[in-house]
This record gives sequence, structure tokens and C-alpha cells, in this order.
Amino acid sequence: QVSLWESGPALVKPTQTLTLTCTFSGFSLTTSGMSVTWIRQSPGKALEWLARIDWDNDKYYSTSLKTRLTISRDTSKNQVVLRMTNMDSLDTATYYCTREKIGSGTQSPDYWGQGTLVTVSS
Amino acid sequence: QTVVTQEPSLTVSPGGTVTLTCASSTGAVISSHHPNWFQQKPGQAPRALIYNTSNKHSWTPARFSGSLLGGKAALTLSGVQPEDEADYHCLLYYGGPQLGVFGGGTKLTVL
Repeated sequence: QVSLWESGPALVKPTQTLTLTCTFSGFSLTTSGMSVTWIRQSPGKALEWLARIDWDNDKYYSTSLKTRLTISRDTSKNQVVLRMTNMDSLDTATYYCTREKIGSGTQSPDYWGQGTLVTVSS
Repeated sequence: QTVVTQEPSLTVSPGGTVTLTCASSTGAVISSHHPNWFQQKPGQAPRALIYNTSNKHSWTPARFSGSLLGGKAALTLSGVQPEDEADYHCLLYYGGPQLGVFGGGTKLTVL
């Protein structure tokens, strides 16, 4: 079955770079139509779509955050890494990774990790 | 900047029917926005319910249905159960690369 789980630091200081890893099983990121997307949720707030990496290694970023985000993958390890630079207190959030199926007119983040809470504080 | 708007809160009685909507600041929501709906209970990750406007995942209860209604995406719950009390989030996609934008979420109270 499909599983995803996020890992990374629980606490980062302002201006530091955050590196999060999504490790997944039950699907291959090299299979056509498969993608991994990062989404975050600040405490008590709405979900925010951050970035996506596709089976063909195409990458897409939130318009508002694209200058700070980098998404990459290691297909041999079934991992996707998200880096966010210049962290600020406003970036305090739970970060989720999801599997997203794309193709034939479909876009569907169907399986989600449990999320990892990242707090930005000095 | 594109804004997706949902009702902040709704209340429904057990056994009743309620419709949640999802509007786009760019105009009418259409199928190419690939509307998705998610349910989130306190302390849990969101769970996917509906994709591509009206398609259900294998785990989606039959009482949940999605549609396009009056220029918006809609999620209808029929025969609401107490366990349906949750936050509901919609997701629309825009642009050539199909970037996602979430709505602000609707807090559904079953009372």
C-alpha cells in the first residue's frame, strides 16, 4: 500500500534553510503520472500548496514562494527533498508530502503523510 | 494572485444535507480546474474525498458527492453523520503547469 512520511528538523532559526525529506513506498516516482507534492498548514490556517516534482523530473513551485523553494528527488531511495531558504516565523507550519496522480485530465493528491511540524524561532 | 474562497463555517443537523462551495477569483470554476476536496479532523492529516470535480476515491463514503454548481465547485453531504464534523478544504489548479491553490477551508459543525 501507499505510504509517505516526512522527516526533518522540528525547530529552525530565522534566516536558516529548512530541509525536509519525504520518504515513500508503494509507488514509483518514475512511473508515468506519478508526482510528489509538498503542502503546508500554518497553525489554525488554510492549507498552502508549495511545490511538486513529477515522474519526468519536471518541477513546479508556488508563485509566491518560488524564489525560496527547491524540490528534488532520489529515485533510488524513494525520497523527495524540499528545501526552503531564509526561514521566518511565518513559515511555522505542519509540512505534508502527498502522492499526486496526474494524467488523462486527472490531478489528485490522494495519499498524504502524517505531516511534520516545523517551528521557526530563535 | 488567485484566491479560492470557501464558506468559513456551516452548521448542519444529523441526517441533513449540506452543500459546501468553492469559488475562484478568476471566474467560474470549470472542470479544467480539477476540483479536489479534502476532509481534515483535529490533529489529523487531510484525507482526500473527491477529485476531478466529482470522482470519489475508493475510501470515500457514498454520502459525499462533488459537482459544479452556479460557477463554483460544490461538495454535498447527504445524510450527515456526527463523524462528518470536520474542516473541509477545496483545491483548484491553474495555469499551464497546473499549480494548486487551496481555499481557506470550511468548518462543518454537526449539531
